[in-house]
Amino acid sequence: KQEVTQIPAALSVPEGENLVLNCSFTDSAIYNLQWFRQDPGKGLTSLLLIQSSQREQTSGRLNASLDKSSGRSTLYIAASQPGDSATYLCVGSGSGGSNYKLTFGKGTLLTVNP
Amino acid sequence: DTEVTQTPKHLVMGMTNKKSLKCEQHMGHRAMYWYKQKAKKPPELMFVYSYEKLSINESVPSRFSPECPNSSLLNLHLHALQPEDSALYLCASSQVRNTEAFFGQGTRLTVV
Repeated sequence: KQEVTQIPAALSVPEGENLVLNCSFTDSAIYNLQWFRQDPGKGLTSLLLIQSSQREQTSGRLNASLDKSSGRSTLYIAASQPGDSATYLCVGSGSGGSNYKLTFGKGTLLTVNP
Repeated sequence: DTEVTQTPKHLVMGMTNKKSLKCEQHMGHRAMYWYKQKAKKPPELMFVYSYEKLSINESVPSRFSPECPNSSLLNLHLHALQPEDSALYLCASSQVRNTEAFFGQGTRLTVV
């Protein structure tokens, strides 16, 4: 059974700082790894998707990496802004041989202070 | 268009009411999902439809009844809910095989 763990559970940083959010998963037979952002009471916004054959993806100030052998993914946010404040969720797909199972981490609550 | 649209955004219903949540996508995705999310918790899978057929039911109580009338629409019919069913209900869609999942903005359901 796939388990996804996110560290830290909460992070508070000053504006402009570069930061790294960590995610680990137990089943290396992961199909892909997706990072989402969720604002309070809102839906999930997809940030980056890394296919199992890829090592990293970049979008603007965001860079996500995937290391299947070690069971780890990181989300790097450069030059953080107050608007980046949200909960970030790491999600693995393909758990237990199922194409549809999305396994969620519990999230990292990020606060960027002006 | 990478949008999943959910209606209504907010819903308050009594325990004897019948209501429905609606989800729509026009991305040609053939997998659609219902998730339930309680405060400060990650989403929990309820149902998955693949090619308009129910493929996964995560032992959800029968007071929740999903329906997929066509490849673009997904409904969740609600009947005789309990206050503990109050939550954010999220719809998602994806291509069938392990591609990017897209989520709607959710319906905030309150059962009184």
